[in-house]
Amino acid sequence: SYVLTQPPSLSVAPGMTARITCGGNNIGTKSVHWYQQGPGQAPVLVVYSDSDRPSGISERFSGSNSGNTATLTITRVEAGDEADYYCQVWDSSSEHRVFGGGTKLTVL
Amino acid sequence: QVNVVESGGGLVEPGGSLRLSCAVSGFIFSDYHMSWIRQAPGKGLEWISYITDSGSAKYYADSVRGRFSISRDNAKRSLSLQLSSLRVEDTAVYYCARDSLTAGDASDVWGQGTMVIVS
Repeated sequence: SYVLTQPPSLSVAPGMTARITCGGNNIGTKSVHWYQQGPGQAPVLVVYSDSDRPSGISERFSGSNSGNTATLTITRVEAGDEADYYCQVWDSSSEHRVFGGGTKLTVL
Repeated sequence: QVNVVESGGGLVEPGGSLRLSCAVSGFIFSDYHMSWIRQAPGKGLEWISYITDSGSAKYYADSVRGRFSISRDNAKRSLSLQLSSLRVEDTAVYYCARDSLTAGDASDVWGQGTMVIVS
C-alpha cells in the first residue's frame, strides 16, 4: 500500500517560515491535500490539490508538489499556527485514501 | 451554515456492535461524497470509509473491511457507519466529513467527532 512519510516534529520561531514535507513514491503524480489540527479540535483543510487554498484560509499557507516530495509552507509563522499537520492523497491502485503520520509544529 | 454532527459513540465490549450517525445541514447532501475518518488516542488520522453521493459505491480501509458498513439516506440527509466485531484497536474518535466538490478526495467539512471506546 502507498505510504506517506512526514517528519514527526518541526520547531519554528515566530515570524519565520515553516516547511513541512510529505514524502511518497512519485507523489508528484498525485493530488496532495493538507490538514491542520489544533489541540482537541477537528482537522481543517488548509491546502487542496497540491497548492489551492479553501475559502477563508490565510495566504500564508501554500503548497507545492514535485517528484517524491510535497511541501506545505507557512510564512510569517504565528503562535496560532501551532498544531498537527497531515498530508493526504488518494491511492488509485488500492482505492484507499492515505494520510501521512502527521507533523507537530511547535512555535518557539 | 454548513455543519456535520456525529452521534452514537460510546463504550462497547470487544466483539460488540455500534451504529454511528452523522446529521448534516447547510448544504445539498445528495451532491456530496462523504467519508468517515478516525483518530486513535494520541495517534494520527486514519481514513476508514467513503461513499459516493448516490450511495452506489463504497470503499473501505483494509483494517475495517468486512466489519464496518457505510450507508446514507439522502432523503433524511444522514450518513451512518455500522461497526461490528469491534476490537480494542478500534477505540478512536470517529469523524464524519464532507468531501470537496472541487477536490473529491479531500474533506472540506468535518464534524467534531464521536468517541468509541472498545473495552
